[in-house]
Amino acid sequence: GQNIDQPTEMTATEGAIVQINCTYQTSGFNGLFWYQQHAGEAPTFLSYNVLDGLEEKGRFSSFLSRSKGYSYLLLKELQMKDSASYLCAAMDSNYQLIWGAGTKLIIKP
Amino acid sequence: IAGITQAPTSQILAAGRRMTLRCTQDMRHNAMYWYRQDLGLGLRLIHYSNTAGTTGKGEVPDGYSVSRANTDDFPLTLASAVPSQTSVYFCASSDGSYNEQFFGPGTRLTVL
Repeated sequence: GQNIDQPTEMTATEGAIVQINCTYQTSGFNGLFWYQQHAGEAPTFLSYNVLDGLEEKGRFSSFLSRSKGYSYLLLKELQMKDSASYLCAAMDSNYQLIWGAGTKLIIKP
Repeated sequence: IAGITQAPTSQILAAGRRMTLRCTQDMRHNAMYWYRQDLGLGLRLIHYSNTAGTTGKGEVPDGYSVSRANTDDFPLTLASAVPSQTSVYFCASSDGSYNEQFFGPGTRLTVL
C-alpha cells in the first residue's frame, strides 16, 4: 500500500532550528512536496524535491533520499509565524499526491 | 478573482440533502482536484480532472460526483449527504498534474 509517515507534533524555540522528518512508500515516485498549513487556512506550497539532495530556499530547506524513501524539512531561525502544520506529500506513478497527516509545529518564545 | 475561490465558506446540511460545492480558478490551470481533510488524517483525494471534459476518481470517491465543463470551474456534488461526509473540503489546481498545487480557502461542511 501507499503510506506517508511524519511525526504528529513537534515543539521548538523561537530562533532555533527544527527538522521535520517524513518517510514514504508509494507505487512509483515522481517527487516529494512540502506544504505549510496555518490553522483554519489552506495549504501553501513550500518545496519540491525529485532528485536526491538538499534544496535550499531562504530559511527553509528540504532534503530527499530516494533510496531510503526519506525526506526532511529544515526550518532555521524559527519565528512565531512558523507555528503551523507541515504536510509531506509524495507523488505516485499516476501523478497523484499521497499526503501525510501533517506535523503540527509549536514555536515557543 | 485571484487564484482559486470556493463557495460556500461553510454549510450545515441535513442528512439526505443534495449539495454542490463550487470551485473556480482564474489561473487557466489544466488540472483540478477535490480533497477532504479530516482531523488526524492526511488530505484525501476525492476526484480530479486533468483537463476540461475529463474527470477521474481519487481515493475516496463514493457519494461524490464532479463535472468539468470548462477550464475554470470544477463543482463537487454530494447527491445525498451523510454525516460521515462532515469535513473540510479543499479544491486545488495545478499547471500540469506534476506541478505544485494551489489550494482554495476551503469549505467547512457539517452534515447532521
